[in-house]
Amino acid sequence: QVQLQESGPGLVKPSQTLSLTCTVSGGSISSGDYYWSWIRQPPGKGLEWIGYIYYSGSTYYNPSLKSRVTISVDTSKNQFSLKLSSVTAADTAVYYCARGNYWYFDLWGRGTLVTVSS
Amino acid sequence: EIVLTQSPGSLSLSPGERATLSCRASQSVGSSSLAWYQQKPGQAPRLLIYGASSRATGIPDRFSGSGSGTDFTLTISRLEPEDFAVYYCQQYGSSPLTFGGGTKVEIK
Repeated sequence: QVQLQESGPGLVKPSQTLSLTCTVSGGSISSGDYYWSWIRQPPGKGLEWIGYIYYSGSTYYNPSLKSRVTISVDTSKNQFSLKLSSVTAADTAVYYCARGNYWYFDLWGRGTLVTVSS
Repeated sequence: EIVLTQSPGSLSLSPGERATLSCRASQSVGSSSLAWYQQKPGQAPRLLIYGASSRATGIPDRFSGSGSGTDFTLTISRLEPEDFAVYYCQQYGSSPLTFGGGTKVEIK
């Protein structure tokens, strides 16, 4: 079955760029059937959608983060990635990658905690 | 942006009881584009309901969703021990996609 797995540094310094990758196994990003998203959850708080990418490379970002976010896809590696620039402590969260079926999320990675601290 | 308000913030019930969770939108959610998720501590959310009332694959029929427009409800007919968790609604009728603040269902 299809699985998603996030990877990347668990600690990022303030003002630097957070970079995460989601590897999709058991299925192809290039199938064109789904959109691929990043969602985050600060400790003890609710969920915030960051943005999505289609296998073709087209993207859509949450306007609240748009100026700092870049999502890209590497179909040869069956991966998609998140970059979030100029991070602050407010960006500390568990970051999830998820598969978008239309615009709801039917499959999630386990999540990875990213802490922003010097 | 559509703001989703979930109520109550927490619910204390016993196994076997019925749980009724509310999700109210700040404006109409087009085409009943509303989903519900369950999240247990240390785990990712799991899709329960999409299209306001369609159960996702493998979800027991004790979970049901209803509503349209601005008012939506998730009902758990008879709580099982594994149902105690936090529940989130999400609208996907307009961008940006947004989530409610969650309802925690606790064991009484």
